[in-house]
Amino acid sequence: GAGVSQSPSNKVTEKGKDVELRCDPISGHTALYWYRQSLGQGLEFLIYFQGNSAPDKSGLPSDRFSAERTGGSVSTLTIQRTQQEDSAVYLCASSRSHTEAFFGQGTRLTVV
Amino acid sequence: AQSVTQPDIHITVSEGASLELRCNYSYGATPYLFWYVQSPGQGLQLLLKYFSGDTLVQGIKGFEAEFKRSQSSFNLRKPSVHWSDAAEYFCAVALSGGYNKLIFGAGTRLAVHP
Repeated sequence: GAGVSQSPSNKVTEKGKDVELRCDPISGHTALYWYRQSLGQGLEFLIYFQGNSAPDKSGLPSDRFSAERTGGSVSTLTIQRTQQEDSAVYLCASSRSHTEAFFGQGTRLTVV
Repeated sequence: AQSVTQPDIHITVSEGASLELRCNYSYGATPYLFWYVQSPGQGLQLLLKYFSGDTLVQGIKGFEAEFKRSQSSFNLRKPSVHWSDAAEYFCAVALSGGYNKLIFGAGTRLAVHP
């Protein structure tokens, strides 16, 4: 597509529920990244995909967070048993291997 | 560990005035350097980047930035600010030769007075 697409744009969930956030990268971009933007922590790297594999998962804050990428394209970030501190904007970005990353508009997650 | 410092949390300028947003980084080698802008409710848009070569780089919307190795700085400048430039600006670094695992500064929120 023309840009990185993320869905949903907004998600409100109850504490303890699982959520899935979706990212459609720019066509042909082999690299995909997830970042989190929150008031207290700023912009934080979560995970990097090259193709379908994730050589760097170092930013995932706990084992409640996981992500997968299929077909070298769409990625899903899953948060299990959501907590209030998970409330943030989750940003996805994609790039060709060693060039600048293009960001989606993000998913605003609110845990109530 | 790599880090990025944006010393100014908020800056207010008058429309038409010049602008400089400061960015300092901590890294053992020359990293890839970026400036992104985020308007309210929007994602991050790349303004400009430095990978190597000429240390003065031009970006979109009339912005430029200068890489100064001796000062570990990559300050963003614009000679004449427009009201539409009001936004939050993020400096970021990525490891040279690696993928774009970006380390972001805390951001500078720019307000523009008419």
